[in-house]
Amino acid sequence: QVQLQESGPGLVKPSQTLSLTCTVSGASISSGGYYWSWIRQHPGKGLEWIGYIFFSGRSYYNPSLKSLVTISVDTSKNQFSLKLTSVTAADTAVYYCAGLDGSGSFFDPWGQGTLVTVSS
Amino acid sequence: QSVLTQPPSVSAAPGQKVTISCSGSSSNIGDNYVSWYQQLPGTAPKLLIYENNKRPSGIPDRFSGSKSGTSATLGITGLQTGDEADYYCGTWDSSLSVVFGGGTKLTVL
Repeated sequence: QVQLQESGPGLVKPSQTLSLTCTVSGASISSGGYYWSWIRQHPGKGLEWIGYIFFSGRSYYNPSLKSLVTISVDTSKNQFSLKLTSVTAADTAVYYCAGLDGSGSFFDPWGQGTLVTVSS
Repeated sequence: QSVLTQPPSVSAAPGQKVTISCSGSSSNIGDNYVSWYQQLPGTAPKLLIYENNKRPSGIPDRFSGSKSGTSATLGITGLQTGDEADYYCGTWDSSLSVVFGGGTKLTVL
């Protein structure tokens, strides 16, 4: 059973870089069965897809966030990471990592999510 | 403003049936599979339906999905208080993004 767990700072200052890591267990990130993804949910709001990365390093981002986002993968640690630069209060959200099925049609599994607050 | 349109809320009594709609366009639902997610309060979303109408292992057959043209529907029969949650639809869009609906809050009266 594939499980995901997010980790990283819960508080980031405005204009700084938000950095999160997702650790994958129960499967090798290099297995090729998933596109490893990040999704966020603003407080009380809906879901927003941020982007995904394949184990090969090929990545794809939401066009609305593309200039600010980098997703990377570390196959040796079975982890993938998110960096969001120049954050503002509008980036305060619960950030989820998730596996996008190899068919690209659904997200499963999901991590439990981690709340990141942007505040000075 | 979400690309996919869902009703903000629906409600029904225990044991009854409810449907949740998800409306899109030819650039998203019309040309791609739809998935549905259940988000219980304070938890991460959970896959309920994939590829329009398929249920993952462990999801009861009280949950069903369908798609017609540019709209999709989630159906839940035999409502239980434990079904109270937010429900989201999702799919790909020709803008090359994954898009979600704004979510529907289900209340079991």
